[in-house]
Amino acid sequence: DTEVTQTPKHLVMGMTNKKSLKCEQHMGHRAMYWYKQKAKKPPELMFVYSYEKLSINESVPSRFSPECPNSSLLNLHLHALQPEDSALYLCASSQAPHSNQPQHFGDGTRLSIL
Amino acid sequence: GQNIDQPTEMTATEGAIVQINCTYQTSGFNGLFWYQQHAGEAPTFLSYNVLDGLEEKGRFSSFLSRSKGYSYLLLKELQMKDSASYLCAVRTNDYKLSFGAGTTVTVRA
Repeated sequence: DTEVTQTPKHLVMGMTNKKSLKCEQHMGHRAMYWYKQKAKKPPELMFVYSYEKLSINESVPSRFSPECPNSSLLNLHLHALQPEDSALYLCASSQAPHSNQPQHFGDGTRLSIL
Repeated sequence: GQNIDQPTEMTATEGAIVQINCTYQTSGFNGLFWYQQHAGEAPTFLSYNVLDGLEEKGRFSSFLSRSKGYSYLLLKELQMKDSASYLCAVRTNDYKLSFGAGTTVTVRA
């Protein structure tokens, strides 16, 4: 069990669908992150939110749209995804963007695009 | 970008010691983290070094030499549950975290 909760755990969607991934933490962390992890590869950073504002976008295609409604929640809206977007999507949080504390990861959402 | 190298696979016997090396080349180094990831699960934080030297946490220790761009993770008294992927991650001054490809450790009875 982790203190960062992601839903759903698994998601299968077609290329024309719209869906959202959700992430929640109640540790009072003010930095939240989305990562993408392909099989047998390391996590790759997608987005960073700092105090609920988007601070880093690693040139992610616009079919991925992040949203941070409040300090505990982070969403990733998906639209018109491609089969190559199938991966494990990990959410993480840390105490503050510029602290020495580690990032804590959720269990991820395993996404399959048909 | 960051260049982070670690061995792909290591195998060891239960009760033994294994050392996983990580070398990195980066500008703006701001700390090195080790994470453990079991298949299909989240990465979990093991250790953190920002200054040179050894950090010990129970059966796990991590060492850093900033001048050499080198770190290692030492796993002692190996247990079967230690079979996992171990990820070396370098943080830079922009507070981004870049991961190495991971080392898969297999512990045999």
